[in-house]
Amino acid sequence: RKEVEQDPGPFNVPEGATVAFNCTYSNSASQSFFWYRQDCRKEPKLLMSVYSSGNEDGRFTAQLNRASQYISLLIRDSKLSDSATYLCVVDPGGAGNNRKLIWGLGTSLAVNP
Amino acid sequence: NAGVMQNPRHLVRRRGQEARLRCSPMKGHSHVYWYRQLPEEGLKFMVYLQKENIIDESGMPKERFSAEFPKEGPSILRIQQVVRGDSAAYFCASSPERGGGSYEQYFGPGTRLTVT
Repeated sequence: RKEVEQDPGPFNVPEGATVAFNCTYSNSASQSFFWYRQDCRKEPKLLMSVYSSGNEDGRFTAQLNRASQYISLLIRDSKLSDSATYLCVVDPGGAGNNRKLIWGLGTSLAVNP
Repeated sequence: NAGVMQNPRHLVRRRGQEARLRCSPMKGHSHVYWYRQLPEEGLKFMVYLQKENIIDESGMPKERFSAEFPKEGPSILRIQQVVRGDSAAYFCASSPERGGGSYEQYFGPGTRLTVT
């Protein structure tokens, strides 16, 4: 099983739609979670951090289910500018100084006019 | 507060030459990570460094690739005797010290290496 798994998509949705992505992780000791977005040929940019059960920022809501080991990202009222690849990222925690994050391969979203 | 800086943004090398990619982390950050992204593929972790130390190099190819983060100056990713398969975008990220428990990584704009 991969450490972090995402449906690659693509998700094609009309403007104004609500879309949700799921991400599962294998390490039950994982401490914290992040969603990044990456536009074509650009660097990943932090979208949201998820430290407890969830987080909301405007049209974006992230939820964490530790029992089932998944994180979701919900985008409401989607805009054309939301078209991007969304990366699920997990901090596996653990002792020591290693703070390497584990990256999913991303879910591609295309919002259509 | 300047973000993560990478240079050059674009680098063209002929097969067999050396490529040097530089990364200056955000002010106050002492953790640096290098990633490679091939066209149409996901990010691949390469190496994680702190000042003067390599913490995790599990993603680095065994040959031709090396990385350093000296006490003074930027982190350097060095690729010797480049081959066409090294053509990719190389991203650097940095994160702050432990303390807030927050390990978000902030990315530079990347260096696009083309090997001809």
